[in-house]
Amino acid sequence: QVTLKESGPGILQPPQTLSLTCSFSGFSLNTYGMGVGWIRQPSGKGLEWLANIWWDDDKYYNPSLKNRLTISKDTSNNQAFLKITNVDTTDTATYYCARTTLGWFAYWGQGTLVTVSS
Amino acid sequence: DIQMTQSPASLSASLGETVSIECLASEGISNSLAWYQQKPGKSPQLVIYGTSNLQDGVPSRFSGSGSGTQFSLMISGMQPEDEGVYYCQQTYTYPRTFGGGTKLEL
Repeated sequence: QVTLKESGPGILQPPQTLSLTCSFSGFSLNTYGMGVGWIRQPSGKGLEWLANIWWDDDKYYNPSLKNRLTISKDTSNNQAFLKITNVDTTDTATYYCARTTLGWFAYWGQGTLVTVSS
Repeated sequence: DIQMTQSPASLSASLGETVSIECLASEGISNSLAWYQQKPGKSPQLVIYGTSNLQDGVPSRFSGSGSGTQFSLMISGMQPEDEGVYYCQQTYTYPRTFGGGTKLEL
């Protein structure tokens, strides 16, 4: 059974760095073809893909966030991480992690709400 | 970036009605398209991948079609549990991009 669960700070202030953790089970990021992605959704709005990390440590980022994103993984502990630097109020959203294989996201976490407020 | 445009933005259907949601890509993406359903307060759930492949556990009244730049999701016989917001996503290239969503109500 594949499960994912996001955790984060809940609230932070500009221009702090947002650190998110995705803890998962039921698969391994050591397995060929396996990946984890991060997607966010402001309240009442649509989905925005942020980054993917793959079993071979290949990484892809959304260029719209310029150089603010860093994705990483800890395969021993079945976790993936996302850092977003220099946050502002526009980064307020629910952040999801999801398992990806051939491009689509078949399994999603429940999401973690992050509020950026001064 | 490839832009994904969904239509309509919202849709009201009757019980048992056949419903269709369209997704237009700004450039060709072959058959690299997925559809998700999201219910209020819940995470998105994969409905269809590779344009027309039904995810495990999804009712057979859901179907997908298209290729290149034009895609559609069809629900043959609307049920109450089908209410939600539907998103398309291109899986062809980076950055991955989603459509703006279609809100489907009964």
